[in-house]
Amino acid sequence: GAGVSQSPSNKVTEKGKDVELRCDPISGHTALYWYRQSLGQGLEFLIYFQGNSAPDKSGLPSDRFSAERTGGSVSTLTIQRTQQEDSAVYLCASSSRMDTGELFFGEGSRLTVL
Amino acid sequence: KQEVTQIPAALSVPEGENLVLNCSFTDSAIYNLQWFRQDPGKGLTSLLLIQSSQREQTSGRLNASLDKSSGRSTLYIAASQPGDSATYLCAAASGNTPLVFGKGTRLSVIA
Repeated sequence: GAGVSQSPSNKVTEKGKDVELRCDPISGHTALYWYRQSLGQGLEFLIYFQGNSAPDKSGLPSDRFSAERTGGSVSTLTIQRTQQEDSAVYLCASSSRMDTGELFFGEGSRLTVL
Repeated sequence: KQEVTQIPAALSVPEGENLVLNCSFTDSAIYNLQWFRQDPGKGLTSLLLIQSSQREQTSGRLNASLDKSSGRSTLYIAASQPGDSATYLCAAASGNTPLVFGKGTRLSVIA
């Protein structure tokens, strides 16, 4: 596609439910990143993919968070048993290469956990 | 571990002024530094990307400079306009870690 696409744009869920957030990167981009932005806070790195593999999962806040990428394209971020502190905007970005590539971001998925 | 700091946290200027936003980073072994703009409720829009071998990049009224030895980058905005009002973030790529972001400078340009 022309840009990074994320869905849903908004998600309201009840505490304890599972949610899935989807990211469709720019076609041909091998690197894909997930960041989280809480109200009034900076961007918090969660995980990145080079192709289908995730070399660095250290940013995932807890074992309730997981992510996968298939076919070197679409990625899903799954949060199990959501908690109120998971409420944030989840941003996805992609680039043509990890080290020197320019990052392009999607519009984000705003998650609200009641 | 790379740390990125942006000063000031917020800035308000009258329309037409030239202004400078500052970004500093602790690890000078960076691959590149990127400046973004974020409007309220939106994602990030890439403004300028400076590779480690470059000293500056220009796009329209924007000019970004990079001084690796001092760990600093600046974003210069000429002839500011109300439409420039947004949060500006800088981010540094180094080692095998993804971009590390500063907390941003919230800019208000008053008509």
